[in-house]
Amino acid sequence: QVQVVQSGAEVKKPGASVKVSCKTSGFTFTSYVMHWVRQAPGQRLEWMGWINGGKGHTKYSQKFQGRVTITRDTFANTAYMELSSLRSEDTAVYYCACSFGDWSPLDYWGQGTLVAVSS
Amino acid sequence: EIQMTQFPPSLSASVGDRVIITCRASQGISNYLAWFQQQPGKAPKSLIYAASNLQSGVPSRFSGSGSGTDFTLTISSLQPEDFATYYCQHYFGHPITFGGGTKVEIK
Repeated sequence: QVQVVQSGAEVKKPGASVKVSCKTSGFTFTSYVMHWVRQAPGQRLEWMGWINGGKGHTKYSQKFQGRVTITRDTFANTAYMELSSLRSEDTAVYYCACSFGDWSPLDYWGQGTLVAVSS
Repeated sequence: EIQMTQFPPSLSASVGDRVIITCRASQGISNYLAWFQQQPGKAPKSLIYAASNLQSGVPSRFSGSGSGTDFTLTISSLQPEDFATYYCQHYFGHPITFGGGTKVEIK
């Protein structure tokens, strides 16, 4: 049974960093690509980037380039997304989603992690 | 960046109605198109991939069609559990982008 479980909600101050984890089970982690997608209040879903579970290659949206870092731990079947220099506009629910390779649909989703940025 | 435009942004319908949601890509994306359903406070759930393929476990009242730039999601007979927001998404290269969503409400 496929499971994608994310870490809990975070409250951060502007300028800080946040790191969200995404633990998977029920499929071969190294055969999948782990994406990060966020949804700010009232906004559409926004793709941030991905990491290849096997090779560790990453691809980031230009919008977040320089502020986002996606990593993975193949022994723990877990992906991580770290976003730095947080501002209030980064308040959103962050989702991890998995696809069987690049140019493939997002088959499995985590439950989402709320990150609130407030002074 | 490929822009995904959905319409209508919202609609009201009754149980049993046929509902059609449209998604247009700003350039051709072949059939690299997925549809998702999102209930309030929940993660998106994959319904359709490759424009017309039903994900495992998704009821057959859902169907998708289209290729190139124009796509549709059809719910043949709306059920109470179908009231939600629906998103299209392309995966024809990077960045992946999503439509603005269509909120299906009870009439």
